[in-house]
Amino acid sequence: EIVLTQSPGTLSLSPGERATLSCRASQSVSSGHLAWYQQKPGQAPRLLIYGASSRATGIPDRFIGSGSGTDFTLTISRLEPEDCAVYYCQQYGSSLTFGQGTRVEIK
Amino acid sequence: QVQLQESGPGLVKPSQTLSLTCTVSGGSISSGGYYWSWIRQHPGKGLEWIAYIYYSGTTDYNPSLKSRVTISVDTSKNQFSLNLNSVTAADTAVYYCARWATTVVAPYWFFDLWGRGTLVTVSS
Repeated sequence: EIVLTQSPGTLSLSPGERATLSCRASQSVSSGHLAWYQQKPGQAPRLLIYGASSRATGIPDRFIGSGSGTDFTLTISRLEPEDCAVYYCQQYGSSLTFGQGTRVEIK
Repeated sequence: QVQLQESGPGLVKPSQTLSLTCTVSGGSISSGGYYWSWIRQHPGKGLEWIAYIYYSGTTDYNPSLKSRVTISVDTSKNQFSLNLNSVTAADTAVYYCARWATTVVAPYWFFDLWGRGTLVTVSS
């Protein structure tokens, strides 16, 4: 099973700032097998990015996915207040696992 | 549009079987191209994939839960179900049903549609 480790645990930034979220895999993951989700309090997760870098339908272009191998990144280029949420990476190259999440707080 | 709705008991006694159903509306579970999945989230914690099933009955399970889990599909009712046996307090979680989908352009898979989730508490 591939373990995904996300960092930092919590990110506290101001509106307009750039957020950089890391997802590191214990083994190499095919880029096509990596997705990112956003979860707001009391809601189900929402797909943001699939195939490591493709935005899902309706996702603003400030959400940017990148990376390959064992290191993947979700960048939120200009934080908006509504981006306050927990973000999860997920892989399915070897079984199907999620990272533990990064909480993004808006100052 | 397609929607998913979980249903089932909110309280289950230890050692008993947790049974949940996900009803798919706005589309046919038999239309193909999707797998239908269960995912859970322990209180205040991250996400854990449990299992998925294709309308034809093909399944895959999380190895850590496989011995206790059965996923099934009822195409006539447009539903799929989860049974988790021998539950303990550690199985207390919000259980989500979700659709595992792919793209036409490339063989990437992802959870593109989720139910709202249902909290199941294991307690005597």
